[in-house]
Amino acid sequence: DTEVTQTPKHLVMGMTNKKSLKCEQHMGHRAMYWYKQKAKKPPELMFVYSYEKLSINESVPSRFSPECPNSSLLNLHLHALQPEDSALYLCASSQESRIRNYEQYFGPGTRLTVT
Amino acid sequence: GNSVTQMEGPVTLSEEAFLTINCTYTATGYPSLFWYVQYPGEGLQLLLKATKADDKGSNKGFEATYRKETTSFHLEKGSVQVSDSAVYFCALSGLEFAGNNRKLIWGLGTSLAVNP
Repeated sequence: DTEVTQTPKHLVMGMTNKKSLKCEQHMGHRAMYWYKQKAKKPPELMFVYSYEKLSINESVPSRFSPECPNSSLLNLHLHALQPEDSALYLCASSQESRIRNYEQYFGPGTRLTVT
Repeated sequence: GNSVTQMEGPVTLSEEAFLTINCTYTATGYPSLFWYVQYPGEGLQLLLKATKADDKGSNKGFEATYRKETTSFHLEKGSVQVSDSAVYFCALSGLEFAGNNRKLIWGLGTSLAVNP
């Protein structure tokens, strides 16, 4: 099973709302990622968790707050977003290794619209 | 640093035509190379990968060979179908680590439209 699931599929939120995106994988991967993708562009890395600890924050604004409750789950909490944050948010996971370059497996994404 | 250059699209083909999407890279060390595909309205799917020089990755009729001498990883398919219409991204493992794994360096993507 190489599936990464994400909920919700679509989300519309106002600039004062608080919402959360959820991601789950059951492949035993210990690295999990959040990416942001604008239309027809490559994904941009936002956060990386390694063994449930945040290891990379790519200078993402604090209105995005990641959380990794356990090795299978990854959340992205959203608060006071701006219209320019509207995008497809992708979760990915991979095995961990500093020696081998393992591939990342992506979820279907959450399409976020900020009004 | 490592980088990926991908041919610009859009590419428009008729069904059963031969497909090549060019991808060249610059890299130090021994990166792994990947092709990801994104169908309309969906997330990214790993299409194929190669981890060392002369490796050939293949999946669903697509192939790509890791050519160190030409620093290329061109994607090919002998006979495309309408269902292959998607955006294709070439990527390689970079020098910088994200946790214990190397960050992916992405090409800009090539949009493919296959007409019946």
